[in-house]
Amino acid sequence: AQTVTQSQPEMSVQEAETVTLSCTYDTSESDYYLFWYKQPPSRQMILVIRQEAYKQQNATENRFSVNFQKAAKSFSLKISDSQLGDAAMYFCAAGGGATNKLIFGTGTLLAVQP
Amino acid sequence: NAGVMQNPRHLVRRRGQEARLRCSPMKGHSHVYWYRQLPEEGLKFMVYLQKENIIDESGMPKERFSAEFPKEGPSILRIQQVVRGDSAAYFCASSPDRGKENEQFFGPGTRLTVL
Repeated sequence: AQTVTQSQPEMSVQEAETVTLSCTYDTSESDYYLFWYKQPPSRQMILVIRQEAYKQQNATENRFSVNFQKAAKSFSLKISDSQLGDAAMYFCAAGGGATNKLIFGTGTLLAVQP
Repeated sequence: NAGVMQNPRHLVRRRGQEARLRCSPMKGHSHVYWYRQLPEEGLKFMVYLQKENIIDESGMPKERFSAEFPKEGPSILRIQQVVRGDSAAYFCASSPDRGKENEQFFGPGTRLTVL
């Protein structure tokens, strides 16, 4: 079984500053994947970044990067040079196993202050 | 390549009616997942299907809910005799047959409101 925990219901950041969103997970799978999804007010689920658990190198996508600590089962998202368009709900998710179904955390609502 | 399509985007039903939600996966994708998002909550897995087969329905309520993915046509999530507690956003996601199997592409969702 997999569980995903996001302990920050809301976060706020100033435009152009950096913010880190926390996520911890638990899984019995040996081969699994971790994701961060963004959900703006339109409610569309947008993949921000993905991390294969077997890779030690942290994934990076432009201003978005992760800090993947496998032993601690931690998967935080860092957003650099925050922009107004980054304001959204962010969900951490874990997938893997035979069906690859995704288990989501409860989300962190990020506000970006101009 | 069109993305995952879901229709309708909004659906209003009265208690006791049936709701049918449709999902057309991306071209070349034969894996379909359905998730439900209750108000103020994260997405919860419901069911995983491949063409003509239900692979994992561990997240489906035992009654009133069913899903199918026929050989031809979209995947259908059917909710019979809807109740107010079924009001939620229902998301479909698809993944490719090969390659990055773990990457799921989401549709825009169907928001179901039960009066």
